[in-house]
Amino acid sequence: GQNIDQPTEMTATEGAIVQINCTYQTSGFNGLFWYQQHAGEAPTFLSYNVLDGLEEKGRFSSFLSRSKGYSYLLLKELQMKDSASYLCAVPYTGRRALTFGSGTRLQVQP
Amino acid sequence: ETGVTQSPTHLIKTRGQQVTLRCSSQSGHNTVSWYQQALGQGPQFIFQYYREEENGRGNFPPRFSGLQFPNYSSELNVNALELDDSALYLCASLAGTASTDTQYFGPGTRLTVL
Repeated sequence: GQNIDQPTEMTATEGAIVQINCTYQTSGFNGLFWYQQHAGEAPTFLSYNVLDGLEEKGRFSSFLSRSKGYSYLLLKELQMKDSASYLCAVPYTGRRALTFGSGTRLQVQP
Repeated sequence: ETGVTQSPTHLIKTRGQQVTLRCSSQSGHNTVSWYQQALGQGPQFIFQYYREEENGRGNFPPRFSGLQFPNYSSELNVNALELDDSALYLCASLAGTASTDTQYFGPGTRLTVL
């Protein structure tokens, strides 16, 4: 089966850096996705990692360690608009769909 | 904007009723997936359609069914509604054939079952 764990909630201050962790268990690893979802809106794609290491994309970076079954999303220079849920996901076994974690709700405070 | 649209935006139904939700995929995308997202949870995979055929299903009962049309728009039908069916229903389209292709989500339909 597949299992994804993320912290439920995090709080950070505007301008700071925050790291959102994700651990996963899946057979036949085929990459890991991060999505951002603002309240009441659709998830939007942030990143995809299939190889170990850090990938940077502007203020957002995503890290993967396949041997540890671990990923994190790093958000720098936090802005109020970054308040959202962050979803970690892996491809659904044998299907072109995704298995999502429960999401981490990030609240950015002034 | 992902180019994926869904209708209606909100819907209220009574337990036991039937509901149809609609999704228009991004242009050129021949695959659509449907997800159910309960409050405070991540989306859960319901099923997927590829070129008008069901191409995989998650852990949902048969009263959840779907259709995909030649223009790749799609419907999700839920019969005999239960209170636990109250959720945000998301559709996502993708163009490629790999499990790692990016899925583009619509804004969702918020279903409330009373």
